[in-house]
Amino acid sequence: AQSVAQPEDQVNVAEGNPLTVKCTYSVSGNPYLFWYVQYPNRGLQFLLKYITGDNLVKGSYGFEAEFNKSQTSFHLKKPSALVSDSALYFCAVSPPPSSNTGKLIFGQGTTLQVKP
Amino acid sequence: DSGVTQTPKHLITATGQRVTLRCSPRSGDLSVYWYQQSLDQGLQFLIQYYNGEERAKGNILERFSAQQFPDLHSELNLSSLELGDSALYFCASSVEGTTPTDTQYFGPGTRLTVL
Repeated sequence: AQSVAQPEDQVNVAEGNPLTVKCTYSVSGNPYLFWYVQYPNRGLQFLLKYITGDNLVKGSYGFEAEFNKSQTSFHLKKPSALVSDSALYFCAVSPPPSSNTGKLIFGQGTTLQVKP
Repeated sequence: DSGVTQTPKHLITATGQRVTLRCSPRSGDLSVYWYQQSLDQGLQFLIQYYNGEERAKGNILERFSAQQFPDLHSELNLSSLELGDSALYFCASSVEGTTPTDTQYFGPGTRLTVL
């Protein structure tokens, strides 16, 4: 079964510092991984996805994610955090193509708090 | 704005009642997904429709049902409501929804409160 884990409930970082939000995955076959962000009282916004190819994926709002097959990780990163990045971040995985569905399986979410 | 619309934004009802949540996908998207977000269960996939037909089912209770209409909008029906059904219900859409590479775009959600 496909699953993702986000080991940290909350990450605190100072504005201007680099940030990392961690995600590990467990899949059978090739992983298809996604990051979404949820601002208070809003829906989820797509940030980026890894399908294949380069291990470093660039996404929206200056975010990027590093895919590491040996560590089964897909950590979200940003070189310089902004206070406005404070939100709830979700890692997600999609089942293999043989399942014929694009449904997403989400991690528990990590709250990012960026302090001025 | 993702282009996915959901109505209503908020819904307050009593136990035992039935409600209908509505979703309009982005223009051109054939797949609609429903997710439930609650404090104890997190974000859970409920059901997916693709071009009018059920494609995949997740942790959806028997008291819940959904359908996708010819104009591709979708409705999620929740009946015999219980306190534990209080949650944020999201709809998402994607172009195809038959491959894992599709990106899903989420609506703003409907917050259901069961009293």
